[in-house]
Amino acid sequence: AQSVSQHNHHVILSEAASLELGCNYSYGGTVNLFWYVQYPGQHLQLLLKYFSGDPLVKGIKGFEAEFIKSKFSFNLRKPSVQWSDTAEYFCAVNAHSGAGSYQLTFGKGTKLSVIP
Amino acid sequence: GAVVSQHPSWVICKSGTSVKIECRSLDFQATTMFWYRQFPKQSLMLMATSNEGSKATYEQGVEKDKFLINHASLTLSTLTVTSAHPEDSSFYICSAHHPRGGKNIQYFGAGTRLSVL
Repeated sequence: AQSVSQHNHHVILSEAASLELGCNYSYGGTVNLFWYVQYPGQHLQLLLKYFSGDPLVKGIKGFEAEFIKSKFSFNLRKPSVQWSDTAEYFCAVNAHSGAGSYQLTFGKGTKLSVIP
Repeated sequence: GAVVSQHPSWVICKSGTSVKIECRSLDFQATTMFWYRQFPKQSLMLMATSNEGSKATYEQGVEKDKFLINHASLTLSTLTVTSAHPEDSSFYICSAHHPRGGKNIQYFGAGTRLSVL
């Protein structure tokens, strides 16, 4: 079974600092990769996704992530964070384990606090 | 974008009672919906996959007689926690698979916080 590891439980940054959140997964086959964000009091929202093609994917609000297959990683980055980026970020993996298999495996999440 | 509505957002009940949580896809049809449970500072744990018109598929360790799932239409799945106990207190989240071009995109409800007294 696949698993997802997010390295940081809580990250605290000042505004304008650069962000990188780590995500590693364990699965040897083809995967789809996702980052979801959960703002305080709100539901999970898709930030960006990787299915195939260019391993550097760009999402909403200036976020991007790079899929490095050799490292089983899909780290999330943003050059300059804002106070409004304060939220919890979840990495998720869908392993291609069969036709119509849409299940996601989530990491434990990383809470980002941005100080004005 | 696709919207998933979950109701209620918060419920408090007495031990031994049953609680029903609804998950609706508002602007698309979802043949597959998912139910997750999230403990504080933990990841979302998949409980079951709900398929319209058929029995749900439960993950290992999830009691299907305790967590009844019904997916009677393409826009509604319900999770009923039967004979709830304090250890069932948790945050329950549903998602709906959006069949957009065959890609796996799930849209999430806002979650339901269940507190069993």
